[in-house]
Amino acid sequence: KQEVTQIPAALSVPEGENLVLNCSFTDSAIYNLQWFRQDPGKGLTSLLLIQSSQREQTSGRLNASLDKSSGRSTLYIAASQPGDSATYLCALRGGSSNTGKLIFGQGTTLQVKP
Amino acid sequence: DTEVTQTPKHLVMGMTNKKSLKCEQHMGHRAMYWYKQKAKKPPELMFVYSYEKLSINESVPSRFSPECPNSSLLNLHLHALQPEDSALYLCASGRTGGLDYGYTFGSGTRLTVV
Repeated sequence: KQEVTQIPAALSVPEGENLVLNCSFTDSAIYNLQWFRQDPGKGLTSLLLIQSSQREQTSGRLNASLDKSSGRSTLYIAASQPGDSATYLCALRGGSSNTGKLIFGQGTTLQVKP
Repeated sequence: DTEVTQTPKHLVMGMTNKKSLKCEQHMGHRAMYWYKQKAKKPPELMFVYSYEKLSINESVPSRFSPECPNSSLLNLHLHALQPEDSALYLCASGRTGGLDYGYTFGSGTRLTVV
């Protein structure tokens, strides 16, 4: 059974720091992996999607990597800002097609202090 | 239009009430999903519709009744709920064939059962 783990559960950093959020999974047979951001009481905003054949994706100050062989994905946030404060969720779709269920990690709650 | 719209944003209902949550998307996605999210937890899958047909029911109690009247709309009918059903209910949509571009989530309906 696929399990997704995010470490740390919470992180507090001063503004301007570069930081890395980690996501690990137990079964390397994944279709794709998606990073989401969630503000308190709000829906999920998709940040980056990495297909199983890709190693990384970049959007602005965000970079996500995927290493299926080691069962890991990282989300790198450069020059963090107070507006980056939110919960970050990784979610993967297992199997070999886009019909697999999305499996979420528990999330990392990030606080960026001014 | 790249959004999933959910209404209402907030709902308070008594345990004897009947209410409905609505979700709408115009991205041409043929897969639509209902998720339930409790505080400080990741979203949990409830139902999946593919081409307007229910394909996955994650053993959800019958007091939750989904409906997909057409390819753009997804409803969740609520009846005789319990206080523990209070949560954020999220709708999502995605492609069913070809390359998967990931899920798009709505902003959710905050449900309180009194």
